[in-house]
Amino acid sequence: AQKVTQAQTEISVVEKEDVTLDCVYETRDTTYYLFWYKQPPSGELVFLIRRNSFDEQNEISGRYSWNFQKSTSSFNFTITASQVVDSAVYFCALSSGNAGNMLTFGGGTRLMVKP
Amino acid sequence: GAGVSQSPSNKVTEKGKDVELRCDPISGHTALYWYRQSLGQGLEFLIYFQGNSAPDKSGLPSDRFSAERTGGSVSTLTIQRTQQEDSAVYLCASSLRQYLDSPLHFGNGTRLTVT
Repeated sequence: AQKVTQAQTEISVVEKEDVTLDCVYETRDTTYYLFWYKQPPSGELVFLIRRNSFDEQNEISGRYSWNFQKSTSSFNFTITASQVVDSAVYFCALSSGNAGNMLTFGGGTRLMVKP
Repeated sequence: GAGVSQSPSNKVTEKGKDVELRCDPISGHTALYWYRQSLGQGLEFLIYFQGNSAPDKSGLPSDRFSAERTGGSVSTLTIQRTQQEDSAVYLCASSLRQYLDSPLHFGNGTRLTVT
């Protein structure tokens, strides 16, 4: 069985603050992939990043960065200098061989960035 | 290019009626998924199609739910004898291939309300 936990259900920050969204996962597989998706108010889920279990390098893309730590089974997402347009629900997800091709999602974190 | 298209965008039905939800995946995508998102909740896997292989129906919540995919393209999710607990947003997603690392591309969903 695999599981993704996003303990923060809602976060509110003021524009320009940095914010980190936590994601903890469980899987028995040694090969797996982790994803982050963004769901803006319009509703469509947008793919942000994919990371495989053998690549623990952190990644930065503009104001976004991801910290993957296998030792703590975490794949956290940080937004630097947040903007109002970052307001959305963010989902962390996991796929692994034992679960076939099913992507298991966390419960999501609703981020509200206030001007 | 065209993304995943779902219709209708909204559906209101009376308890006990049958409904059909349609999904047009991205052209060339061989994998197609249905997920359900209840209000304020994460995404619940329903069913997965890959090419001509037998679908993975392990997420369907009851035998009132069924889905088909014709010609490896368009998919229809059917809910028979709808119940109020079926009210949710039904999301369709497609991916280029079946492998674990292939990101999903989501449609905007069909919001189903059972009265």
